[in-house]
Amino acid sequence: GENVEQHPSTLSVQEGDSAVIKCTYSDSASNYFPWYKQELGKGPQLIIDIRSNVGEKKDQRIAVTLNKTAKHFSLHITETQPEDSAVYFCAASNAGGTSYGKLTFGQGTILTVHP
Amino acid sequence: EAGVAQSPRYKIIEKRQSVAFWCNPISGHATLYWYQQILGQGPKLLIQFQNNGVVDDSQLPKDRFSAERLKGVDSTLKIQPAKLEDSAVYLCASSQRLYNSPLHFGNGTRLTVT
Repeated sequence: GENVEQHPSTLSVQEGDSAVIKCTYSDSASNYFPWYKQELGKGPQLIIDIRSNVGEKKDQRIAVTLNKTAKHFSLHITETQPEDSAVYFCAASNAGGTSYGKLTFGQGTILTVHP
Repeated sequence: EAGVAQSPRYKIIEKRQSVAFWCNPISGHATLYWYQQILGQGPKLLIQFQNNGVVDDSQLPKDRFSAERLKGVDSTLKIQPAKLEDSAVYLCASSQRLYNSPLHFGNGTRLTVT
């Protein structure tokens, strides 16, 4: 089955700096890669996603890049703010395949933005 | 639109006792998921429903866990008997369709087994 590795496990930045979180996946059939933000006591919330027919996607301060050949994808947050502090999870799935869109999550990155 | 509702928010039980969690998905969402999130880890899928049928339960410990989704709407997840290693947050999620449809998560039920 799919295996997703996520790095780093913790990331500390100063407000205004950029933050980058990286993930690798094992199943070359995976074609859907969402990123979730989880705040304390809450469920994960989708912040951005990318499909395998796209190399990059941007939404305001958040961007995701995908390298299908190397099987890795990254989350980029620019101009970080204290409210960006949370746990971030990457995930992968074969949307439309026999895994029925099952999401496999990475281990998470604790992002702390210092004012 | 209202989000995914889960109850209870917290539950503390002793090992070998039983417990049940309830989930009400977003209205109109055909697909429902139960995930287990152990502290410090990413969510792991336990079971996936499409309407009231099971699509994937390959990672559900069927000797102690059971789940149902009657009438294709609400769902319950049960653990009987509980073990210490079942301590985790149990997250319910729903999506509009089986494929190419983002998951929306509830806030979860935090289970502590003592």
